[in-house]
Amino acid sequence: QVQLQESGPGLVKPSQTLSLTCTVSGGSISSGSYYWSWIRQPAGKGLEWIGRIYTSGSTNYNPSLKSRVTISVDTSKNQFSLKLSSVTAADTAVYYCAREAVTTMVRGVIIYYFDYWGQGTLVTVSS
Amino acid sequence: SSELTQDPAVSVALGQTVRITCQGDSLRSYYASWYQQKPGQAPVLVIYGKNNRPSGIPDRFSGSSSGNTASLTITGAQAEDEADYYCNSRDSSGNLFGGGTKLTVL
Repeated sequence: QVQLQESGPGLVKPSQTLSLTCTVSGGSISSGSYYWSWIRQPAGKGLEWIGRIYTSGSTNYNPSLKSRVTISVDTSKNQFSLKLSSVTAADTAVYYCAREAVTTMVRGVIIYYFDYWGQGTLVTVSS
Repeated sequence: SSELTQDPAVSVALGQTVRITCQGDSLRSYYASWYQQKPGQAPVLVIYGKNNRPSGIPDRFSGSSSGNTASLTITGAQAEDEADYYCNSRDSSGNLFGGGTKLTVL
């Protein structure tokens, strides 16, 4: 059973960099057709996709956050990480890491879905 | 920019059928996936692809799609189905989530 666990500071000062790590257990981060994503949710609001990384190191980011986001992977530790720079109070949220599976169905149709999620970690931006 | 649109709130009588919809241009190219989220918990995948349920998800949950609209149907809603539901799809930039639908079971 794959498990994901977020870790990192729960409090970050404005203008600083938010750093989180997701540790994957129960399977290798390098095996299979999976992308590894970060998703966040401000209190009382909806989910926002932040970005993803493939084990090759290729990344995609939400255009609205792209200038401030870096996602990296450490296959030796079975971890991937998020850095979000120049944070403000608007970045206060529960941050989730998630595995995105890629499955090829009949007739070559490819489907994508988040099959495993971490429990989430609250990050508050405040001085 | 692309977006996925969901009704903010829907209600259903216990045991009745409810459909939750998600609209967006990306759904013409990619299948939606659906997530159930209860207060204080991480989202849980309930439907993916054309109409696939992960192990452990009751068969009262089903999915469908047509054009730019994806739908999640709960046939015979139970009290435990009361939750927020989010649709998601890939798009040209990455991934999109709908704004979420709060389902109330009366």
